[in-house]
Amino acid sequence: GPKVLQIPSHQIIDMGQMVTLNCDPVSNHLYFYWYKQILGQQMEFLVNFYNGKVMEKSKLFKDQFSVERPDGSYFTLKIQPTALEDSAVYFCASSPTGGHSYEQYFGPGTRLTVL
Amino acid sequence: GDSVIQMQGQVTLSENDFLFINCTYSTTGYPTLFWYVQYSGEGPQLLLQVTTANNKGSSRGFEATYDKGTTSFHLQKTSVQEIDSAVYYCAMRLNYAQGLTFGLGTRVSVFP
Repeated sequence: GPKVLQIPSHQIIDMGQMVTLNCDPVSNHLYFYWYKQILGQQMEFLVNFYNGKVMEKSKLFKDQFSVERPDGSYFTLKIQPTALEDSAVYFCASSPTGGHSYEQYFGPGTRLTVL
Repeated sequence: GDSVIQMQGQVTLSENDFLFINCTYSTTGYPTLFWYVQYSGEGPQLLLQVTTANNKGSSRGFEATYDKGTTSFHLQKTSVQEIDSAVYYCAMRLNYAQGLTFGLGTRVSVFP
């Protein structure tokens, strides 16, 4: 089936540094999402992006977070500066439209460790 | 606030056993309910979507039902196989939102 790719699979950085997580969504999809899962906790919605804009974000989407998809390339999540509580697995997802009957396809996740 | 509660953290079964996982939800909105499955090393993938109360959805031998009266939804399979070993998530999406609200997940381990 359709695949969402995430690069890298693991990232270790020092607190205060900047990190960019990359997502290669399904090729004809238009809606993109980031979710965060801290070890042992629920996967939680961060942000939804469409047509170059953030459509919806949760309270977990701090000011230090930003998303973009320049020129149809990777959909990225940037954290600047990082904090210890940003350590988690970040899942990217995409869907063909934003309608409720449309499936969100998830990538395998990027495990981020902030030291 | 909106929430999904999935109490069973881990279920261990033998092949051909019956699997039943239950979730409850709380919202003032109108939800669409899902079951996602996550195999080792992969992201969650949609297993079933249940949009109509008291109706069943089915896929790959799994069945899902949704009881609006008790705000609960269930996933079941009559006879599990070792390949069904995975983490199963219930999730909810509201009519006014894009993001999914997930349960904690149930790790199902099936032994031959």
